[in-house]
Amino acid sequence: NAGVTQTPKFQVLKTGQSMTLQCAQDMNHNSMYWYRQDPGMGLRLIYYSASEGTTDKGEVPNGYNVSRLNKREFSLRLESAAPSQTSVYFCASFTGTGNSYEQYFGPGTRLTVT
Amino acid sequence: EDQVTQSPEALRLQEGESSSLNCSYTVSGLRGLFWYRQDPGKGPEFLFTLYSAGEEKEKERLKATLTKKESFLHITAPKPEDSATYLCAVRASNTGKLIFGQGTTLQVKP
Repeated sequence: NAGVTQTPKFQVLKTGQSMTLQCAQDMNHNSMYWYRQDPGMGLRLIYYSASEGTTDKGEVPNGYNVSRLNKREFSLRLESAAPSQTSVYFCASFTGTGNSYEQYFGPGTRLTVT
Repeated sequence: EDQVTQSPEALRLQEGESSSLNCSYTVSGLRGLFWYRQDPGKGPEFLFTLYSAGEEKEKERLKATLTKKESFLHITAPKPEDSATYLCAVRASNTGKLIFGQGTTLQVKP
């Protein structure tokens, strides 16, 4: 049981390049999330998927697109990277039944855009 | 507007010196208050979810409590390995999304 996995762990891009961050969870959770974490800004929600086949914008969606490929996988795409997208990106999955909610995070992808 | 504020930003303790971290929140319809621990270079690690005022949960030296306006994370007799950033987040009933505070960075010196 690996939990939430993310690839790659590190990435350096040049301005204007594109890339896709991959995320997978093996806990059979319905909801998945993409966050970015910046010093002094805390964790900010980029996009989320409440269930397979649905996606919604979070707090900072500009410059990003997402795909919920299936129940396990949720990818984040940067079409034209900008230096402002230098950050640590975390994927998370969420389970909630009745009054029991838990959210688990992956190890993160550290992205630098030059 | 839903908001989460954590204090203090940083806390230095001697080993064995108990203290508390605060998480104040304003949210329309709380559907859970979450506590996480984050070590440098790693993803947040889930600790607790609290659901209603008066609820308490414990894990080793950590005890989380919840009122209608804030939550406390009490650390009893901390050890150096408790050094980390502790994050608080709330889930609002009308969105399902989590809103995070800025975190409290705890350093425990031997």
